Amino acid sequence: GAVVSQHPSWVICKSGTSVKIECRSLDFQATTMFWYRQFPKQSLMLMATSNEGSKATYEQGVEKDKFLINHASLTLSTLTVTSAHPEDSSFYICSARVRQEVWAFFGQGTRLTVV
Amino acid sequence: RKEVEQDPGPFNVPEGATVAFNCTYSNSASQSFFWYRQDCRKEPKLLMSVYSSGNEDGRFTAQLNRASQYISLLIRDSKLSDSATYLCVVKGGGYNKLIFGAGTRLAVHP
Repeated sequence: GAVVSQHPSWVICKSGTSVKIECRSLDFQATTMFWYRQFPKQSLMLMATSNEGSKATYEQGVEKDKFLINHASLTLSTLTVTSAHPEDSSFYICSARVRQEVWAFFGQGTRLTVV
Repeated sequence: RKEVEQDPGPFNVPEGATVAFNCTYSNSASQSFFWYRQDCRKEPKLLMSVYSSGNEDGRFTAQLNRASQYISLLIRDSKLSDSATYLCVVKGGGYNKLIFGAGTRLAVHP
């Protein structure tokens, strides 16, 4: 079946630094990728939707200059958390969808801790 | 009002029990419905899609009532391995994205 690989699975960084998270579709071409954030005991909240070759669409309240998304190819999307702060500590999950498919496949998630 | 609302849980049940989860959605134009399972500190995984005619997969039965905008998941003969958070997910209504409920936690004990 389709596999989405997300890297790294966890990262600890200092406040003020930037962190890049990669999301790859391993055996299919993902026309659309989604980035979610999940705080403890809460549901997944969609941050942005990216389509290959175009700018990401951000959800209301998500700062596009802070969470940079690049979807340069049909198999790779990246999320960069710039100038990270402790409140950005969360579980970040990507998902990818193949054209014509209704459901999405999820990456393993990245647990970000900003100290 | 949240777009997708679920029973708050947690549900603590013994092995072998039957447990039902409910979910309501606010957008009547929603087109696709799913149940996902999420284990602690892991990504969500698709459990099953939900159709108006209802669908069953082994011990799991999902049903959709479009008129009431209500989705259910029934788990029969609960196993310890069923312990997880179950997420009700809705797609459609003009949106190209999945909307997740907050999830219902299930704990199955011996």
